[in-house]
Amino acid sequence: GENVEQHPSTLSVQEGDSAVIKCTYSDSASNYFPWYKQELGKRPQLIIDIRSNVGEKKDQRIAVTLNKTAKHFSLHITETQPEDSAVYFCAARNAMEYGNKLVFGAGTILRVKS
Amino acid sequence: DAGVIQSPRHEVTEMGQEVTLRCKPISGHDYLFWYRQTMMRGLELLIYFNNNVPIDDSGMPEDRFSAKMPNASFSTLKIQPSEPRDSAVYFCASSFTGFETTDTQYFGPGTRLTVL
Repeated sequence: GENVEQHPSTLSVQEGDSAVIKCTYSDSASNYFPWYKQELGKRPQLIIDIRSNVGEKKDQRIAVTLNKTAKHFSLHITETQPEDSAVYFCAARNAMEYGNKLVFGAGTILRVKS
Repeated sequence: DAGVIQSPRHEVTEMGQEVTLRCKPISGHDYLFWYRQTMMRGLELLIYFNNNVPIDDSGMPEDRFSAKMPNASFSTLKIQPSEPRDSAVYFCASSFTGFETTDTQYFGPGTRLTVL
């Protein structure tokens, strides 16, 4: 089955700097890679996703890149703000074999220092 | 739509008691997932259903845990008997097998369970 590894486990950046979180996956048939943000005491919420037919996707200050050959994908947050502080989870899905099941990484605690 | 609804939001019980968590998925969604989240183990998938049928329950920790989905709009996760190590936040999530733009998995607000 799929295995997703996420790094780093914690990340501290200064406000205004960029943050990068990286994930690797094991199942070459996985074709969907969402990123979730979870604020303290709240539910995980989707912030951006990418499918295997594209290499990069952007939404304002957030971007995700995918390297299918190397089986890794990354979340990039530019011009970080204190409200970006949260736990971020990556996930992967092999829809052909497992339907809509997601396999999550262990999470990254992002702290943005003002 | 009100989103995924879970009840209760908080549950405090004593060891040995039965606990039932409830979930109402988003209307029209055909997948339902139960997750458990703890600091030590992160976000774990316990079981998921497709069209009310359990597809994979390999994440259910032991026989004390059971889940049902009697219809498309309701699911329960039961723990009997409960133990202190079951203390966690339990999330329900749902998704729709549709076009690529509509298959996002949406999480409910969670149930915080404390077993004393």
